[in-house]
Parts: sequence; C-alpha cells; structure tokens
Amino acid sequence: DAGITQSPRHKVTETGTPVTLRCHQTENHRYMYWYRQDPGHGLRLIHYSYGVKDTDKGEVSDGYSVSRSKTEDFLLTLESATSSQTSVYFCAISGTGGDQPQHFGDGTRLSIL
Amino acid sequence: AQKVTQAQTEISVVEKEDVTLDCVYETRDTTYYLFWYKQPPSGELVFLIRRNSFDEQNEISGRYSWNFQKSTSSFNFTITASQVVDSAVYFCALSGDNAGNMLTFGGGTRLMVKP
Repeated sequence: DAGITQSPRHKVTETGTPVTLRCHQTENHRYMYWYRQDPGHGLRLIHYSYGVKDTDKGEVSDGYSVSRSKTEDFLLTLESATSSQTSVYFCAISGTGGDQPQHFGDGTRLSIL
Repeated sequence: AQKVTQAQTEISVVEKEDVTLDCVYETRDTTYYLFWYKQPPSGELVFLIRRNSFDEQNEISGRYSWNFQKSTSSFNFTITASQVVDSAVYFCALSGDNAGNMLTFGGGTRLMVKP
C-alpha cells in the first residue's frame, strides 16, 4: 500500500470554525491532491500540488486553501467551515508522468453542523 | 474539457453472474490515460488498472477484464463469475495531457453482488 496517512479520520465541528486536514506521504512523490466525495458527484478535485510551495486550483476550490511546505505534507484548510463542506475528503499522491496512477489515503469524514 | 460518464449508477447481480461496467469518455487530447478504481464498503479507493490511449489491447487479470475501444471512446470493465467480495463502487477516470496529472472521475457504479 502507498504510504499515505490522512488525519484526522473523522471530525465534527461547527459552522464558522476553521478546519485543517493533513495528508502525509512517505513515497517522496511530487504530486499531491485533495478531493471531496459527495453522493451523486463522484470525486471532485479541490486543489493539487506539483511541488513544495507549488499549488493550483481544481474544480471546486472555493472556500478552501492549501499549503505544502514540505514534500511529504499537504494541508487542506477550510477557513470558515460551512455545512456545504460536509463531505468525505481524500488525499492522493502520484509520481511524475501522466501514466502514473494516483494512490489514495483512507479519507477523512468531516461533518459541519 | 474532459468528461467521463458511467451511465449505470447501480447494478445488482447474483453471485457467479458475469457483469460489465460501462465507461464512456470524452477528451480532445491525443495522449491520455484511463483508470479504474474500486471503493469497497470500507471506503478506501483501490487502483485496479491503467490503460494508455495508444494501447488498445484488452487486458485480463483473473476474473477481471477490460475492453478499451477508441472508436467508441469506451473503457468497459467486466467481472466474470462475480463474488460477494466484488460488491463495491467502481470508478472510471481519465487523465489527459495536463501538467498536473489531474484525473476526471465518472460518477461511479455501485455493484451489489447477492449470494
């Protein structure tokens, strides 16, 4: 299994609070991704990173920010959580090259009340 | 823009039946890659297979087989002699000629295999 750890695995918080999810990899892969999974929508890309301090937006980036200060860590922050951000969040990593599959962490279930 | 369509949202079969999961894609890229992932009830996403746009050879791995046809923009997945453990949501995904290796996922097909 790819060495990807997401933390926390579960979180319940209130609307308006800041939330940070962490993704840690031990594979030294260049690319890291954050997705959200919602019923009826499959997986949608929030942000991705192609190197330390290099990030870009995905399909559903509004309300989210990311940071990557080290190769192994990719943080996803909800500055002021809203109920619409209740979802399951997955981190993924991949090597360089379009043929490289993405490997996923176990997911974080986030509930915003 | 890229798009992946999995028209079958749910399929229910009885154990030992064969089942095919459909995947149709759209892309303008000449080089692209197609993937299948499995998400069992435990929730993790498991990579199953990758196919590049220049390789239309079908692939078989045990009870799993994949049929890639560029002429119909399809990359279908067949499970032969299905088992209860095959029950999962299956996702088809596409990566085009983009710098970030970004994937576009289909909406997924939930497969239920009944004993």
